[in-house]
Amino acid sequence: NAGVTQTPKFQVLKTGQSMTLQCAQDMNHEYMSWYRQDPGMGLRLIHYSVGAGITDQGEVPNGYNVSRSTTEDFPLRLLSAAPSQTSVYFCASSRTFNQPQHFGDGTRLSIL
Amino acid sequence: QKEVEQDPGPLSVPEGAIVSLNCTYSNSAFQYFMWYRQYSRKGPELLMYTYSSGNKEDGRFTAQVDKSSKYISLFIRDSQPSDSATYLCARNNAGGTSYGKLTFGQGTILTVHP
Repeated sequence: NAGVTQTPKFQVLKTGQSMTLQCAQDMNHEYMSWYRQDPGMGLRLIHYSVGAGITDQGEVPNGYNVSRSTTEDFPLRLLSAAPSQTSVYFCASSRTFNQPQHFGDGTRLSIL
Repeated sequence: QKEVEQDPGPLSVPEGAIVSLNCTYSNSAFQYFMWYRQYSRKGPELLMYTYSSGNKEDGRFTAQVDKSSKYISLFIRDSQPSDSATYLCARNNAGGTSYGKLTFGQGTILTVHP
């Protein structure tokens, strides 16, 4: 049972580059979300999706895009990377929005 | 005032000790509360969740919620070195915007030494 799978595990980018962080879950969960974790700031919600074709912004959405074309996948796109986006990114999923969420092991992203 | 406050520790205890981890929250409109455990370089792992006031037990772990005082606790009995991790409390966002948003405490770093 893979749960929530995130790729890549590590990535280094240069300022201005774009990239996509992948997230996939095999639990048929409707709800998926992206958080970033920074020292002293804790985990903050970037974007979320309550089902395929439906996404919405969290508390720190600027500089990020998401889409949800299938139930399983919820990629996070950095449009033009900035050093302030250096962080650890976690994807999470749950059966519905009001059920406890299960997290992947994260993508560690450094932007130079 | 932060919506969820958690003492960051660090907390160091000997093996076999009872550990008490605590959080307070400021908004009463929540559906449920969770405790996550996070090992270094890993994602948060769901330990326990509860919807109501009172105690919920799972093996060596007991989650306690007191909605009247807005207090959440996690007790670990017979603590083991493998319990050494960061513990995060969280509550959900009940309605309004950002459905399903979890608000986390800062995390408490726990070390259990042999």
